[in-house]
Amino acid sequence: EAGVAQSPRYKIIEKRQSVAFWCNPISGHATLYWYQQILGQGPKLLIQFQNNGVVDDSQLPKDRFSAERLKGVDSTLKIQPAKLEDSAVYLCASSSIQGTKNIQYFGAGTRLSVL
Amino acid sequence: AQSVAQPEDQVNVAEGNPLTVKCTYSVSGNPYLFWYVQYPNRGLQFLLKYITGDNLVKGSYGFEAEFNKSQTSFHLKKPSALVSDSALYFCAVRGYNNAGNMLTFGGGTRLMVKP
Repeated sequence: EAGVAQSPRYKIIEKRQSVAFWCNPISGHATLYWYQQILGQGPKLLIQFQNNGVVDDSQLPKDRFSAERLKGVDSTLKIQPAKLEDSAVYLCASSSIQGTKNIQYFGAGTRLSVL
Repeated sequence: AQSVAQPEDQVNVAEGNPLTVKCTYSVSGNPYLFWYVQYPNRGLQFLLKYITGDNLVKGSYGFEAEFNKSQTSFHLKKPSALVSDSALYFCAVRGYNNAGNMLTFGGGTRLMVKP
């Protein structure tokens, strides 16, 4: 079974530029999560989708961050414009709504450096 | 709101010795608790979980965790550490949002196993 795929693995941009990250969850997983992991900290949930609907975006900085999962499969997270404090690893995870529904499976992440 | 504390930034242990990585939590209702491991430049990998039942939970790679309700703790243990266990370990508790399945992570503990 293929895992959660994320791209790119690394991205370096200058502040005020825009950037987008892509995630393809495990096949059949209805729930998809985006986390931000700042160096030295645990992951923090940014947004959670179930199928193509948002179920929690309370910690997403909506003035600059946006995310979509239009067809209920893959997802894109965008930052526009980026700030220095956005430097972090952005992790995507997915989980099933049945069976092992309590387990989230993570991708390798995208490491963003904002200069 | 739920929270997780990992009081040790780093744990050092010699190969072959037992290891313990500490975690305490705060959550309303019955806790769903998880341990994940993160190797360099990799995403988080699920190790084990406690939902209900026996207080001692066994997981991957020989790890186990002991749930203690009175002390609100969920310490990760392994009887004999390996050098390859050196990694970053995260404890997490399931909280409740609209979908009922969000994770709140601790800050992480770096485990260093020396030969």
